[in-house]
Amino acid sequence: LAKTTQPISMDSYEGQEVNITCSHNNIATNDYITWYQQFPSQGPRFIIQGYKTKVTNEVASLFIPADRKSSTLSLPRVSLSDTAVYYCLVVFSGGYNKLIFGAGTRLAVHP
Amino acid sequence: DAMVIQNPRYQVTQFGKPVTLSCSQTLNHNVMYWYQQKSSQAPKLLFHYYDKDFNNEADTPDNFQSRRPNTSFCFLDIRSPGLGDAAMYLCATSGRGKGTEAFFGQGTRLTVV
Repeated sequence: LAKTTQPISMDSYEGQEVNITCSHNNIATNDYITWYQQFPSQGPRFIIQGYKTKVTNEVASLFIPADRKSSTLSLPRVSLSDTAVYYCLVVFSGGYNKLIFGAGTRLAVHP
Repeated sequence: DAMVIQNPRYQVTQFGKPVTLSCSQTLNHNVMYWYQQKSSQAPKLLFHYYDKDFNNEADTPDNFQSRRPNTSFCFLDIRSPGLGDAAMYLCATSGRGKGTEAFFGQGTRLTVV
């Protein structure tokens, strides 16, 4: 399983766009990049997943360059409720997912 | 509607007294996971089931065991809890196939006294 590296923490203000970058140099051909969000005292929640280029849903966008060695989660116009820990995972797509969490990025959104 | 349900939400147990945490799912997923999460740390995978096949992580202490009697239910048994086992325990499920997302329960917060 590819190891992921993310910033430990980030700070932002309400209304700003936040970009969290994750590096996964050893990603394999069949691996997907998946992001989870976790609020205090809750289980992680799936945000977005992608294989290459760009994926967008109602919550976020995920940008993956052609070499797939990194990815960027983009949160548009954050609010205070986006304060959480964000985890980048590389997930093997060949059978089932064995989810190994890295340290994550603690995002604090300020008024 | 909750799809992965963990009971209880809060559990207090005595040092050395066996305790069981439970997890149920309504998603009919093949895979179920147990994670341990300590304060300000990432969830740490303890073990997972693919259907009835049990997979233990290499660094999961022998004190932790699991049972999955059927697709819907999974249990985490801690045989002799120590103070260091106090944590949030998270259950999750996922289906088979490429890139399927995992669904987590709310967790059980275990306190050892």
